[in-house]
Order: sequence, then C-alpha cells, then structure tokens
Amino acid sequence: AQRVTQPEKLLSVFKGAPVELKCNYSYSGSPELFWYVQYSRQRLQLLLRHISRESIKGFTADLNKGETSFHLKKPFAQEEDSAMYYCAPANKFYFGSGTKLNVKP
Amino acid sequence: NAGVTQTPKFQVLKTGQSMTLQCAQDMNHNSMYWYRQDPGMGLRLIYYSASEGTTDKGEVPNGYNVSRLNKREFSLRLESAAPSQTSVYFCATNRGEESPLHFGNGTRLTVT
Repeated sequence: AQRVTQPEKLLSVFKGAPVELKCNYSYSGSPELFWYVQYSRQRLQLLLRHISRESIKGFTADLNKGETSFHLKKPFAQEEDSAMYYCAPANKFYFGSGTKLNVKP
Repeated sequence: NAGVTQTPKFQVLKTGQSMTLQCAQDMNHNSMYWYRQDPGMGLRLIYYSASEGTTDKGEVPNGYNVSRLNKREFSLRLESAAPSQTSVYFCATNRGEESPLHFGNGTRLTVT
C-alpha cells in the first residue's frame, strides 16, 4: 500500500526562521505525492504536488527517491504559515497524520 | 460556484441515533470521498466512489454506509452512532485517480 509518514506532530519555529516539514513514503515505483494545508477554521486545500515542481507561498518540496522523502521547505517562515500540513499519496487512502506548524512572532 | 458543499456543519447525536451527512459538488468531478479527521491520526478514508454508481470501502468503513445518489451527491450514513464516531468528517472530490482533492468545509459530529 502507498503510505506516507509524517514524524512530527508539532513544529514550532520563530518568524523568519527556515522550516522543514518531513514526509517519508514507503513504497516503490514512481510516487505521486501532494502536500495539503489546513488553516484554522478552513477547509483543506492543495498546497503543492511534486510533479509541478513549483513554489507556492514560498514553499517548495522535492522528491528524493534515495531517501524516499518529500519534505516541505520554506526558507523564511511567516506567522500566516501557521496551519496543519498533510502529506498524501495520490491513491487517496493513506494520508500522513499531519504536522501542526506554529510560527511564533 | 460553491465547489464542495457539506451539510450540516455541526451535529450532536446520542448513542444509537442515526443520521446522514450530505455532500454535493458542482465541479463535475467523477470521484468522491468521505474522510474522518481525528487528532493525532490525520485523515482516514471511510468510503469512496470512483464514479457514479460505484462505491468502495476505505481504511475505516465499519459503522458507516454510503450512497452515490448521482454524479453530484455522495452521502454518508451512520445507522447507530457510537461515541467513537465523534470526529470531523470531510467530503472531497477529484477529477480522477491522480488528480488532487477538493475538500468541503467539514461536519463536526459529537456522539454522546
């Protein structure tokens, strides 16, 4: 089964600090992976998908097949980045358990 | 263009009561999904419907039933609610297998 793991439940950083939210996947082949974000009291929404290789709101995510990872990174965190972040495979079954990012002023 | 609409937003049930959560989409998407969101456990797939007329079990289907009424609507039914079903329920849709999900606003259900 296509599964992903997010090892951190909570990540706290100060505004302006770099942030990396970890996601590891545990299946072979060519994974199709997404990052979703849920701001407080809002619906989940797509942040990034790996095949697009784009930067959204300053976030990037690179697929590393050697480390089987798809970590989400941003060089300078902003307070408005505070949210729940979910890594998910394309098959929709096994979302990661989510990481709550708290950016402190 | 409302996207994915879920009703109700909030619901409190007593153990043993039944209810149906409604989901409707105006995105002309083929696939629809029901998830539950619990602290520390992320999103878990309950049931999904790859296309009109088909439904399949997800990771945690026990205690739930679904109906894909037409292309637009996908309902989730709890026949006999239990406290373990206290959760936030999300409906989602997508165009096809590899495309990203579009979510509704969620239904917060409490079973006492």
